[in-house]
Amino acid sequence: ETGVTQSPTHLIKTRGQQVTLRCSSQSGHNTVSWYQQALGQGPQFIFQYYREEENGRGNFPPRFSGLQFPNYSSELNVNALELDDSALYLCASSARDNEQFFGPGTRLTVL
Amino acid sequence: AQKVTQAQTEISVVEKEDVTLDCVYETRDTTYYLFWYKQPPSGELVFLIRRNSFDEQNEISGRYSWNFQKSTSSFNFTITASQVVDSAVYFCALITNAGGTSYGKLTFGQGTILTVHP
Repeated sequence: ETGVTQSPTHLIKTRGQQVTLRCSSQSGHNTVSWYQQALGQGPQFIFQYYREEENGRGNFPPRFSGLQFPNYSSELNVNALELDDSALYLCASSARDNEQFFGPGTRLTVL
Repeated sequence: AQKVTQAQTEISVVEKEDVTLDCVYETRDTTYYLFWYKQPPSGELVFLIRRNSFDEQNEISGRYSWNFQKSTSSFNFTITASQVVDSAVYFCALITNAGGTSYGKLTFGQGTILTVHP
């Protein structure tokens, strides 16, 4: 059974640029959630996708957007990057039992 | 609104000591799940345990044990005979609005940094 994978591992961008982060869910999981973890903080919920539809959103501006594909993989897009967007971005997949399995994360640095 | 508080920012112990990580949660929902995750330096969150709000039975799994008390809204985690490999950041988390097509979002505490010295 393949676990949750994320790409890229690390990314460096400059202010104002756009970025796309990718996540492949664990086999059999149809729900993907994205979290932002700033240094020294707990992860913060960005949004969740269930069967290709957004199924809940945290307190993040519209420049954070996402997609889920028919194979349940997902993308997180961030436009107009700001310095405060520098963080570890975690993707988690889950099935009906609410147990969320996390990927290794993408560390984004905005200069 | 949900809230999870981990009052201990950092804990430092010597190998073989027992250590307890505290977690207090707030929610108005009667149905919820509580979790503990471990985050080693690599960054990946590793699932340790899940408890639902109707199951207050405490559990021991190897060197790990959990104490869930609804009366005090606490879900504490104990590592017995700690080892250097236990060094990590530990997060307590809460999900409400679970079930059906809405699996809910995890609300995390701030984390407790555990350092186990040889």
